[in-house]
Amino acid sequence: GAVVSQHPSRVICKSGTSVKIECRSLDFQATTMFWYRQFPKKSLMLMATSNEGSKATYEQGVEKDKFLINHASLTLSTLTVTSAHPEDSSFYICSATGTRRPTTQAEQFFGPGTRLTVL
Amino acid sequence: QKEVEQDPGPLSVPEGAIVSLNCTYSNSAFQYFMWYRQYSRKGPELLMYTYSSGNKEDGRFTAQVDKSSKYISLFIRDSQPSDSATYLCAMGRGKGNEKLTFGTGTRLTIIP
Repeated sequence: GAVVSQHPSRVICKSGTSVKIECRSLDFQATTMFWYRQFPKKSLMLMATSNEGSKATYEQGVEKDKFLINHASLTLSTLTVTSAHPEDSSFYICSATGTRRPTTQAEQFFGPGTRLTVL
Repeated sequence: QKEVEQDPGPLSVPEGAIVSLNCTYSNSAFQYFMWYRQYSRKGPELLMYTYSSGNKEDGRFTAQVDKSSKYISLFIRDSQPSDSATYLCAMGRGKGNEKLTFGTGTRLTIIP
């Protein structure tokens, strides 16, 4: 159990276009999802926290208008990178936590990540 | 000072050796402690989950938490080349669905 999927796994786009990344919890209800960014050989950098049905909470320094997050249901959150530029190229990973037996609400389960390359 | 400190390595050990990975932290409010394994270009995978102080064993993996010292460890017995990965410690207060605080990760290589 506790499977999180991401789609697409890899995307290449032109500068100035927008890219949408989906994160789904497959076997549990994700009341909260987190979006991270990771540079090569670096640790995870939390971008934002989203609770189902609420506006996302962004970390300091993360542009809300550039990284649009929507958490419309208990199994789906999306991250849209708007007007992407080469410096947005990175590995984006989502994680989810929520109702699961035993219900601790502390564990996070990660998706496999999406590699974004902006040309 | 970072809330969570983790030696980035890299750490190389021969196959079959016991591996010890550690993190220290400064926030006494942390109650939940996790270890994740991340292979290159993949998402982190939850390995061990511990609440408060104590030990937890799962196969070749043992997680230890010493809250008095603010120190957590992950031991890997009979290490295998497939254990080569980056290991991240993570911790949280467990209040609702709050964000976790991660260590920087330790790169581990098991030499056949």
